[in-house]
Amino acid sequence: DIQMTQSPSTLSASVGDRVTIACRASQNIGMWLTWYQQKPGKAPKLLIYKASTLQSGVPSRFSGSGSGTEFTLTISSLQPDDFATYFCQGYDSYSPEDLFTFGPGTTVEVK
Amino acid sequence: QVSLQESGPGLVKPSETLSLTCTVSGGSITKHGYYWGWIRQSPGKGLEWIGNVYHSGSTYYNPSLKSRVTLSVDTSKNEVSLKMTSVTVADTAVYYCARQTIDVGAAHPWGQGTLVTVSS
Repeated sequence: DIQMTQSPSTLSASVGDRVTIACRASQNIGMWLTWYQQKPGKAPKLLIYKASTLQSGVPSRFSGSGSGTEFTLTISSLQPDDFATYFCQGYDSYSPEDLFTFGPGTTVEVK
Repeated sequence: QVSLQESGPGLVKPSETLSLTCTVSGGSITKHGYYWGWIRQSPGKGLEWIGNVYHSGSTYYNPSLKSRVTLSVDTSKNEVSLKMTSVTVADTAVYYCARQTIDVGAAHPWGQGTLVTVSS
């Protein structure tokens, strides 16, 4: 089964910082990597799908890259609204029992 | 604009069955190209995929929960349902339903989530 890992687990940053979060899949998932943002008490919000495609309405300071097993979420200039937890999610449409696998999350906190 | 709303008991006793419904509005659950999924999040923890159902009734389950979970659809009511048997305190979580695209596997939108506590 596919395992997703993220690093770091917690990231301390300031407004204006460039922030990078890594996500790794235990096996090749091609481009099928999705990023979500979650704030306390709220449902996750879709940010990026297919590794690098920005969801409609998501600010352009968010970007994604990678393929295969290594992926990255970058926030080019951190804004106050961006302090949250970020999850990656892998998708393997060829494996019904591995259809969706989430990473453990990275919390971006105020430095 | 599609929106999802979870409903069901907020408290379930250990060994009993958890039953939740996800009501979809603003679009039909029979629209091609989408799974309807359930994801849960234990307090202070990460996200765990429970399973997905297609409007035809085809289902896909997390192997770790497969023996206890049944997903179904009611196209006449535009609803998706989750049943989980033999619950324990470890099943205490916020349960979300979400629409997931078949082509890229992204979940959007999500319901607001409903907290289910397993306790006697």
